[in-house]
Amino acid sequence: GAGVSQTPSNKVTEKGKYVELRCDPISGHTALYWYRQSLGQGPEFLIYFQGTGAADDSGLPNDRFFAVRPEGSVSTLKIQRTERGDSAVYLCASSLSSGGSYNEQFFGPGTRLTVL
Amino acid sequence: AQSVTQLDSQVPVFEEAPVELRCNYSSSVSVYLFWYVQYPNQGLQLLLKYLSGSTLVKGINGFEAEFNKSQTSFHLRKPSVHISDTAEYFCAVSARIGSGYSTLTFGKGTMLLVSP
Repeated sequence: GAGVSQTPSNKVTEKGKYVELRCDPISGHTALYWYRQSLGQGPEFLIYFQGTGAADDSGLPNDRFFAVRPEGSVSTLKIQRTERGDSAVYLCASSLSSGGSYNEQFFGPGTRLTVL
Repeated sequence: AQSVTQLDSQVPVFEEAPVELRCNYSSSVSVYLFWYVQYPNQGLQLLLKYLSGSTLVKGINGFEAEFNKSQTSFHLRKPSVHISDTAEYFCAVSARIGSGYSTLTFGKGTMLLVSP
């Protein structure tokens, strides 16, 4: 079946612009995660959704970052007033419900964001 | 909070030689442990995981890892590597919280370079 998909695969923008990154999770997965992977680093947690609600947004670096998942499926990560330091690969993952016994997170290929 | 240390940023090895990628973690609670592989321009793929039970865990592509609670380690091993194993490897931890678990905390990664 189809895995996690992310669009666009690459995004180049100018400092100060607004960007949206999209994630399509695996069908039936209720949990969705966003991570950011800077050059030479491991992925860092940003936010996770259980259904439509953000269950944990403690990883969002500041209020320029926001994410939504209005129908409990597709999610959009929104970054306002982009800065050069926002350049990174943004990874999305999904899993079955995050409660109870552990459920594997399946990762998408990521969106490479470059802020000039 | 949890943390993961991957001591080697790069490990060069010849084809058919054995390899060990080191991972140490820190956590005040029980954890689940994971190794992911990332091929160039691709998303993360789960190699293996330790949830409970036997401390020796076997994964895909001939990799295995051993959970050592006293040394807080989860080193990844393969007895004979192939050129195709060249990739970035990430160790990750998830803390057990009540009946659930936390999101993943990743190490900085180890680049495995296999040469003929």
